[in-house]
Amino acid sequence: LAKTTQPISMDSYEGQEVNITCSHNNIATNDYITWYQQFPSQGPRFIIQGYKTKVTNEVASLFIPADRKSSTLSLPRVSLSDTAVYYCLVAPYSSASKIIFGSGTRLSIRP
Amino acid sequence: SAVISQKPSRDICQRGTSLTIQCQVDSQVTMMFWYRQQPGQSLTLIATANQGSEATYESGFVIDKFPISRPNLTFSTLTVSNMSPEDSSIYLCSVDADQSSYNEQFFGPGTRLTVL
Repeated sequence: LAKTTQPISMDSYEGQEVNITCSHNNIATNDYITWYQQFPSQGPRFIIQGYKTKVTNEVASLFIPADRKSSTLSLPRVSLSDTAVYYCLVAPYSSASKIIFGSGTRLSIRP
Repeated sequence: SAVISQKPSRDICQRGTSLTIQCQVDSQVTMMFWYRQQPGQSLTLIATANQGSEATYESGFVIDKFPISRPNLTFSTLTVSNMSPEDSSIYLCSVDADQSSYNEQFFGPGTRLTVL
């Protein structure tokens, strides 16, 4: 499984756009990029997944350049409730695939 | 989506004892996963449990210490055996989402274990 590297922590303010970048230099051809969010005292929650270019849903956008060696999770207009740990994962797109969590990015949003 | 419950939600145990954690899902799922999360740390995968077969353990985890049962498609248990203070962690189970969304897992709320 490809190793991922992301910042340990980030700070931002309410209403700002937050971009969290993840490096995955050894990503394989059949790997997908997935992001999870974890609030304190809860299990992680799936946010978004993509293979290339851009994916957008009601929560976030995911930008993946052509070489796929990195990806950026974009959270528009964050609020205090977006304070959480965000994990970037890389794994083959398979129903039998286990996922391995990296260290994650602890995002703190201030008023 | 899947709704997952875990019992107990928390427990305080004495060293040398064992605790069995239950994970119940509201729908049938093929694969269930058990994770450990130590305070302030990321999640570490302990094992993958398929119904009707032996669990597959990750490096550093062994069946004697973390026996797992998977009697049907909606239930699994993880036992933490012969506990020591180093086993104090949050233990989480998760399941695969439906076949339309690979690599998406749903997680239970976790079991917070403290070993004295």
